[in-house]
Amino acid sequence: NAGVTQTQKFQVLKTGQSMTLQCAQDMNHNSMYWYRQDPGMGLRLIYYSASEGTTDKGEVPNGYNVSRLNKREFSLRLESAAPSQTSVYFCASSEGQTDTQYFGPGTRLTVL
Amino acid sequence: QKEVEQNSGPLSVPEGAIASLNCTYSDRGSQSFFWYRQYSGKSPELIMSIYSNGDKEDGRFTAQLNKASQYVSLLIRDSQPSDSATYLCAVKAPSGGYNKLIFGAGTRLAVHP
Repeated sequence: NAGVTQTQKFQVLKTGQSMTLQCAQDMNHNSMYWYRQDPGMGLRLIYYSASEGTTDKGEVPNGYNVSRLNKREFSLRLESAAPSQTSVYFCASSEGQTDTQYFGPGTRLTVL
Repeated sequence: QKEVEQNSGPLSVPEGAIASLNCTYSDRGSQSFFWYRQYSGKSPELIMSIYSNGDKEDGRFTAQLNKASQYVSLLIRDSQPSDSATYLCAVKAPSGGYNKLIFGAGTRLAVHP
């Protein structure tokens, strides 16, 4: 039982490049989330998916898009990376919106 | 005013002492309260959740909630060097049709031998 997995641990992009961060969970959870974590600011919600087939904006969605590919997978896309998107990105999942969230290992992204 | 506030620390305590971590929140509609531990370079992991006023104990950890004062705390008894980490307070409140989980910036705890 791997829990929440994120395929990339580190990623470096140049300004303007695009990329997709992959996330998968094997806990049969309905809800999935993407957060970013910056020093001194805590975790901030970028997008979430309450259930398969739905996605909604969180606190800081600008510059990002998401896809809930199926119940297991939730990807985050940066269409044109900017230095302000340098951060650590965490994917999380929960049974329902009111339940405990479990986090993946994170991806440290640097945009030059 | 931040929605969830924590002292950034570092909070330094000797091994075997009680570490007291505090958190205040602004939304009176908040329903659920969580403490996550995050080691450097790792992801947050849930330590405790608390939903009603009072104390909740789990091993060396005790969470305390006072909704009237909008205050939640985490006590760690018999602190160990392995407890050295950043502790994130998170508060769940309804917002725009979903239950939003808001995190504080975290308090760094250092337990020295």
